[in-house]
Amino acid sequence: QVQLQESGPGLVKPSGTLSLTCAVSGDSISSNNWWTWVRQPPGKGLEWIGEIYHSGNTNYNPSLRGRVTISVDKSKNQFSLKLSSVTAADTAVYYCARKGPVAAVGMDVWGQGTTVTVSS
Amino acid sequence: DIQMTQSPSSLSASVGDRVTITCRASQNIGTYLHWYQQKPGKAPKFLIYAASSLQSGVPSRFSGSGSGTDFTLTISSLQPEDFATYSCQQTYSTPRTFGQGTKVEIK
Repeated sequence: QVQLQESGPGLVKPSGTLSLTCAVSGDSISSNNWWTWVRQPPGKGLEWIGEIYHSGNTNYNPSLRGRVTISVDKSKNQFSLKLSSVTAADTAVYYCARKGPVAAVGMDVWGQGTTVTVSS
Repeated sequence: DIQMTQSPSSLSASVGDRVTITCRASQNIGTYLHWYQQKPGKAPKFLIYAASSLQSGVPSRFSGSGSGTDFTLTISSLQPEDFATYSCQQTYSTPRTFGQGTKVEIK
């Protein structure tokens, strides 16, 4: 059974950097999948942040204007999200998810989500 | 970016009702369209992929259809556990955008 678990600080100061990690169990980070971050601001819909393949190939949402970096750590079987220069608008529940290798497949496994609040 | 628009934004229905939710893409996305169910305080659950294929373990009362720009999610007979928010997502291109969600409430 594949499981994903997000971890990281729940409170980040404005202008700081949000850092989250997603630990993968039951699957290898080097498997033929894309590893994804999605967020959901309070009371709003889902927003796709970006994705990474184990080779290091990444795709990011242009709306985040170069503030986002996703990386993979094969030795720990996990991947990470860094979002810099955060503001209150970045307050959200952050989810990690697994997406299949081709466009015809969606995100079939999700972490439980972690709440990040941006506040001084 | 491809814009995904769902309608309605919310609906009220009774147990046993047939429910249909629509998702429209701003450009042709083939069948690269997926549906998710989300309950309050929980992560989304993967329901349907490639517009009409049921994810393993999802009840057969859920079905999806469509291609190109217009898609539908149908629940043939609404059950108490189906009251939730449903979101579509395209994976034709990045950014892999979601619809704004449709909340299905109890009438």
